[in-house]
Amino acid sequence: DIQMTQSPSSLSASVGDRVTITCRASQSISSYLNWYQQKPGKAPKLLIYAASSLQSGVPSRFSGSRSGTDFTLTISSLQPEDFTTYYCQQSYSFPWTFGQGTKVEIK
Amino acid sequence: EVQLVESGGGLVQPGRSLRLSCTASGFTFGDYTMSWVRQAPGKGLEWVGFIRSKRSGGTTEYAASVKGRFTTSRDDSKSIAYLQMNSLKTEDTAVYYCTTVVVIDLIDAFESWGQGTMVAVSS
Repeated sequence: DIQMTQSPSSLSASVGDRVTITCRASQSISSYLNWYQQKPGKAPKLLIYAASSLQSGVPSRFSGSRSGTDFTLTISSLQPEDFTTYYCQQSYSFPWTFGQGTKVEIK
Repeated sequence: EVQLVESGGGLVQPGRSLRLSCTASGFTFGDYTMSWVRQAPGKGLEWVGFIRSKRSGGTTEYAASVKGRFTTSRDDSKSIAYLQMNSLKTEDTAVYYCTTVVVIDLIDAFESWGQGTMVAVSS
């Protein structure tokens, strides 16, 4: 199975900060990497697909990139509604796997 | 507007069975792969399995943790996906989400999600 390791597990930041979350795959997954946002008590929401493509309706402050087996989700200027949990997920091979999540908290 | 509504969750004893339903509306259900993702209390997300559209063969894939115990099926005439869960274990306790799988640039992603249904396995 492909292991997806997110870092950090949590971070503290302020409104307006630039935040980067990293997801490392245990083997090559090309760009078969998606990012989701999950708010407490709610279903996840697709933010980024294919490593760097913004899902329709998602604010442009969210962006994704890839370098080899390392993937990053960047929020250019944190907004109050962005303080929540983010997951990466690979769909390169079965079983599809998620990272353990990164919780973004208010400093 | 795409809507996915899960039902059928509840409290069940270990070893028993439960069937979840996912009723879809707002899109052409038969054209989509339908998947299940679960989340144990306070934990992360875990993919459970999916069923492809009939046009793509109607075949299924499962996580190792549920293979042989869980079966997903679909009724395109009713726009409903099912997850039959047999031989339930305490570690199957989770919120179960139904999702559509969209293929964009050849890459699969979980696009639309239901609100989830809670399954608690306990004696």
